[in-house]
Amino acid sequence: DAMVIQNPRYQVTQFGKPVTLSCSQTLNHNVMYWYQQKSSQAPKLLFHYYDKDFNNEADTPDNFQSRRPNTSFCFLDIRSPGLGDAAMYLCATSRGAASTDTQYFGPGTRLTVL
Amino acid sequence: DQQVKQNSPSLSVQEGRISILNCDYTNSMFDYFLWYKKYPAEGPTFLISISSIKDKNEDGRFTVFLNKSAKHLSLHIVPSQPGDSAVYFCAATTGNQFYFGTGTSLTVIP
Repeated sequence: DAMVIQNPRYQVTQFGKPVTLSCSQTLNHNVMYWYQQKSSQAPKLLFHYYDKDFNNEADTPDNFQSRRPNTSFCFLDIRSPGLGDAAMYLCATSRGAASTDTQYFGPGTRLTVL
Repeated sequence: DQQVKQNSPSLSVQEGRISILNCDYTNSMFDYFLWYKKYPAEGPTFLISISSIKDKNEDGRFTVFLNKSAKHLSLHIVPSQPGDSAVYFCAATTGNQFYFGTGTSLTVIP
């Protein structure tokens, strides 16, 4: 089945220790997104790639970076995680970036920062 | 600044009855609205959508209503089934700007 895969499902890191979260897709979609969702809050878009074109949301902290080496993979790098970065990180894909292009989500990676 | 709001964090409904989930938004530029359903330990999955040029869209047991003048949309599930128990997120979009609400946890009681 075509799908969006996130690894690992649970990640524990230490305060200040860099961490990378991974997302892959078999849908061959052009757009990939990273969202951060904290407890009882709405998922918040961090950035997205349209092909290799990177788009950063204005209020995404510099601590968060992303890489998309090819169509299938996208990585979220947190350079120096703080306690406030503990959250669920959701990856999504869509065929295009129009309003009508449905986003398909992975199961998420829950990040704990000790 | 929360542009999409779901003011009811939870809702309980008896099996067979109607579930109504509500969502309000503030940005009149939103042109497309979606509902997603999320089970524990899974990502949100797309449920139903509506364009801003329509006021109703129906798909089986699920109907979404849009009231643009009130900046309000609702999701009706009729009849509700225990398998519908999940968190429901509404979302609104314009271009590649995509905003989610905080979610409503629906429990359908058998």
